[in-house]
Amino acid sequence: GQQLNQSPQSMFIQEGEDVSMNCTSSSIFNTWLWYKQDPGEGPVLLIALYKAGELTSNGRLTAQFGITRKDSFLNISASIPSDVGIYFCAGLDSGGGADGLTFGKGTHLIIQP
Amino acid sequence: DGGITQSPKYLFRKEGQNVTLSCEQNLNHDAMYWYRQDPGQGLRLIYYSQIVNDFQKGDIAEGYSVSREKKESFPLTVTSAQKNPTAFYLCASRRQADSYEQYFGPGTRLTVT
Repeated sequence: GQQLNQSPQSMFIQEGEDVSMNCTSSSIFNTWLWYKQDPGEGPVLLIALYKAGELTSNGRLTAQFGITRKDSFLNISASIPSDVGIYFCAGLDSGGGADGLTFGKGTHLIIQP
Repeated sequence: DGGITQSPKYLFRKEGQNVTLSCEQNLNHDAMYWYRQDPGQGLRLIYYSQIVNDFQKGDIAEGYSVSREKKESFPLTVTSAQKNPTAFYLCASRRQADSYEQYFGPGTRLTVT
């Protein structure tokens, strides 16, 4: 099946710092989605991207659909304690196979006071 | 409020028993999905259904079964044939017509001993 490489695996940052994470795939994707998951809860959709080069913001979050269609980036500006959690990228490939999304393994964001 | 509900939140079973996890949505979404999440892993697709009375196997369907008798409901049965059933199970849905965005329920943590 498809594979998504998400990096970094974990991040330890100070409150107020900006955060960057990315996701790369071995094949072309038509859709990129970014989710945040709190411990013991279901993922919550943050941003959806549908076009190569698209840059979309949601408050302090900004995500981009890479020009090659094989990568996506998520940035969080001025991090706050409630940003702690696991961030997942998910993609839908162009192959028209299974209807489900392919997920990365997540980036654990830890904010040090 | 519209949303996806999963029950129960925590479920304990003895090895060799079948167990059914509930997933209900009142979003009027056409498609529904079941994912499995293990520690340090991304989400893996078990089964999905795009329409009532029809469903398809995902990447890891062995040892699981589903039904879709109503648009709102997509129960998952974890059978005794599933070798490693202990996991966090997530149900999701999406409005088929115009979006690939999937929305998740709160999850059920199944522990089999």
